[in-house]
Amino acid sequence: KAGVTQTPRYLIKTRGQQVTLSCSPISGHRSVSWYQQTPGQGLQFLFEYFSETQRNKGNFPGRFSGRQFSNSRSEMNVSTLELGDSALYLCASSLEFRGNSPLHFGNGTRLTVT
Amino acid sequence: GENVEQHPSTLSVQEGDSAVIKCTYSDSASNYFPWYKQELGKRPQLIIDIRSNVGEKKDQRIAVTLNKTAKHFSLHITETQPEDSAVYFCAAWSGGTSYGKLTFGQGTILTVHP
Repeated sequence: KAGVTQTPRYLIKTRGQQVTLSCSPISGHRSVSWYQQTPGQGLQFLFEYFSETQRNKGNFPGRFSGRQFSNSRSEMNVSTLELGDSALYLCASSLEFRGNSPLHFGNGTRLTVT
Repeated sequence: GENVEQHPSTLSVQEGDSAVIKCTYSDSASNYFPWYKQELGKRPQLIIDIRSNVGEKKDQRIAVTLNKTAKHFSLHITETQPEDSAVYFCAAWSGGTSYGKLTFGQGTILTVHP
């Protein structure tokens, strides 16, 4: 069974631009969640989607948004990029985003904002 | 919201020694506690998890203990090997069996010296 696939692996953008990241979950998984990983802040929860609906959101500004399609694939968008948005963005899929369903992470998209 | 504190931030041991990483959480309703291992340049991978109705769980050289009263849980690795070198993240699920989120600790960099 194929794992979680994230594209692209690397992105370099300049301040003020916007970016879209993509995540394809494991087949059969309906939940996709997104995390920002930085050396100083660890793994920070961005949001989670299930059946095309955002069910929970972390403490990030409205510049961070996402969506999920009917095939469970998800995209994350960051508008008006800031230097502090440079990070590894990880998505994870699970059968259900509940307290008994392990997360399976993708390899991440490394975003660099210059 | 949930807050997870993880200690130590770095841990250096000799091959064959034991390693212990501790996490505390703030939300008494949290009921699921996974541990992830992230090797350099790779995705986080689940290594063991424990639910709130269990006090201890063991899988070969790794074990996790949970103290609900004190709201802390720990990862124990015995007979450490160089391939155990990685960043370890603890996490706590808040939200019961309904919608919620997974809050991660800051991570522990474990180095096992041959």
